[in-house]
Amino acid sequence: KNQVEQSPQSLIILEGKNCTLQCNYTVSPFSNLRWYKQDTGRGPVSLTIMTFSENTKSNGRYTATLDADTKQSSLHITASQLSDSASYICVVNQGSNYQLIWGAGTKLIIKP
Amino acid sequence: EAQVTQNPRYLITVTGKKLTVTCSQNMNHEYMSWYRQDPGLGLRQIYYSMNVEVTDKGDVPEGYKVSRKEKRNFPLILESPSPNQTSLYFCASSPIAGGAYNEQFFGPGTRLTVL
Repeated sequence: KNQVEQSPQSLIILEGKNCTLQCNYTVSPFSNLRWYKQDTGRGPVSLTIMTFSENTKSNGRYTATLDADTKQSSLHITASQLSDSASYICVVNQGSNYQLIWGAGTKLIIKP
Repeated sequence: EAQVTQNPRYLITVTGKKLTVTCSQNMNHEYMSWYRQDPGLGLRQIYYSMNVEVTDKGDVPEGYKVSRKEKRNFPLILESPSPNQTSLYFCASSPIAGGAYNEQFFGPGTRLTVL
């Protein structure tokens, strides 16, 4: 069964600290994996996309990794800020069309 | 400003009273989709549309209808709402060219409560 599992479900860290969010998938075939950030009460916004051939991609303080062999991705946030408080959602596409499998998300809370 | 708009943002209704949630995008996107989001379950696709007059069922289409008469609009219709349709609903759009390599742009969400 095609699944995307994210861990942890929730995470609380202090402002300025780093954190890593995990996304494991069993989707096959694999086309690409995208990370979205969803602020409370808002729609998701794309952070980055990882394709099969990419291992690491950075977007400011966000760095995504992909290991297609182990079917794992991570999102690392450096020097967290209060504005990073949000849910982070991993979604895997299993084909060339919109065959998207969504994770349940990780809720991140940054405390001052 | 390029955006997806949804109305209403909040709605409380009673069982059986037909309602429509509107969705409009100004980016000339071919692809549009409706999702519902429930705690712990992530986003689940209700219906999607690849272009005008072309709609398809997603993962959870029961109890919903959609139409795509114009490229910019994709309303979600609940003919006879039930309490299990209480949820947060999102509309999204994306260009077709490039397929799912394109990001989806989401609306602000509609929080629906069915009593």
